[in-house]
Amino acid sequence: DTGVSQDPRHKITKRGQNVTFRCDPISEHNRLYWYRQTLGQGPEFLTYFQNEAQLEKSRLLSDRFSAERPKGSFSTLEIQRTEQGDSAMYLCASSLSGRDEQYFGPGTRLTVT
Amino acid sequence: QKEVEQNSGPLSVPEGAIASLNCTYSDRVSQSFFWYRQYSGKSPELIMSIYSNGDKEDGRFTAQLNKASQYVSLLIRDSQPSDSATYLCAVYNAGNNRKLIWGLGTSLAVNP
Repeated sequence: DTGVSQDPRHKITKRGQNVTFRCDPISEHNRLYWYRQTLGQGPEFLTYFQNEAQLEKSRLLSDRFSAERPKGSFSTLEIQRTEQGDSAMYLCASSLSGRDEQYFGPGTRLTVT
Repeated sequence: QKEVEQNSGPLSVPEGAIASLNCTYSDRVSQSFFWYRQYSGKSPELIMSIYSNGDKEDGRFTAQLNKASQYVSLLIRDSQPSDSATYLCAVYNAGNNRKLIWGLGTSLAVNP
């Protein structure tokens, strides 16, 4: 059983650059979530997909953040014009419709210099 | 009042002891409750889920839920140094568009 995978695992970028992260959920899972986590905090919800439909996006998320899940399988999260405050661990999780448990990938650690 | 509250710790227990981790939540209609373990620099790992009042046991872990008191706990028996991690409590309410609401986590240190 393949778990959730994320790529890249680490990303260092300069302020102002764009970055894109990829998440591949567990194959039969139709729900996909993106979270952001900083040190000492719980995961912060960013956005949620059911199949290819983006059903909710956090109001805390600026317009620099966008996510897609074009065919209801993998998802991408793009951050445009990165800022130092974007430095965090970006987590992807997936779940199966009808089940509440969410399973996380290994995360992508972003450092903005 | 935060929606999900946990003591930040650190909670320190000797090897072999029982570690008790607590979590309270504010939304009475919450329906599913989860404990995740997170090692430093790693992502959260689901270790227990509980949906109804009472106890649920899985190996050395026992989750306890009391909906009337809005309280969920995790007991770790025979604690091992490898249990040293941050334990995150997460609460799910289908009316909240299927988002998990997270506590800040309790840091557990098991001393050999």
